Amino acid sequence: EVQVAESGGGLVKPGGSLRLSCAVSGFTFNNAWMTWVRQAPGKGLEWVGRIRSKADGGTTDYAAPVDGRFTISRDDSQSTVYLQMSSLKTEDTALYYCATGGHWFEFWGQGTLVTVSS
Amino acid sequence: QSALTQPASVSGSPGQSITISCTGTSSDVGDYNYVSWYQQHPGKAPKLVIYDVSHRPSGVSDRFSGSKSGNTASLTISGLQAKDEADYYCNSYTSSVVFGGGTKLTVL
Repeated sequence: EVQVAESGGGLVKPGGSLRLSCAVSGFTFNNAWMTWVRQAPGKGLEWVGRIRSKADGGTTDYAAPVDGRFTISRDDSQSTVYLQMSSLKTEDTALYYCATGGHWFEFWGQGTLVTVSS
Repeated sequence: QSALTQPASVSGSPGQSITISCTGTSSDVGDYNYVSWYQQHPGKAPKLVIYDVSHRPSGVSDRFSGSKSGNTASLTISGLQAKDEADYYCNSYTSSVVFGGGTKLTVL
């Protein structure tokens, strides 16, 4: 059974930083592209960014609102992907989901809540 | 990158069929066969129900089907059941990724 588990959310002040983690099990992580998606309270899904597998270059893509502020990385030895968020804004407040895949997203975690507020 | 356009809401009675549209452009929906659909119940994570326009993941009911014509993709749910009541999101690959705004399906 594939399990995806995000962690690291919390309350942070505007301008602050936070690092989210996403641990995956029961899945061939090394070959997988991984994606972060967020959902603001009462709103729809918003793509945040993705990281390719090492075999596909390990490169990253980001949505325009987070480009330059967020960084996605991966540790294949730990089957974990990270989302480093800096210069956080109130509009970054959302439930952050991690999902397997780069074009479509088969397995999702339950999300971790990030609240940016003074 | 603009979001894909979905109707805010659709409704249907048990047993009926409904279709949710997802309109993009020639740069996303119209240019790639990478349209996917997600079902999200309140308080739950999204669930993949269709990928690559018309393919169903293992375990998804064959009542769910997908298609595409030009810049518009569609999700059809046949034999509506109460448990189908949820929010539905489309998604397309472009040079990045874009989601639709979501459609609330109400089963009357």
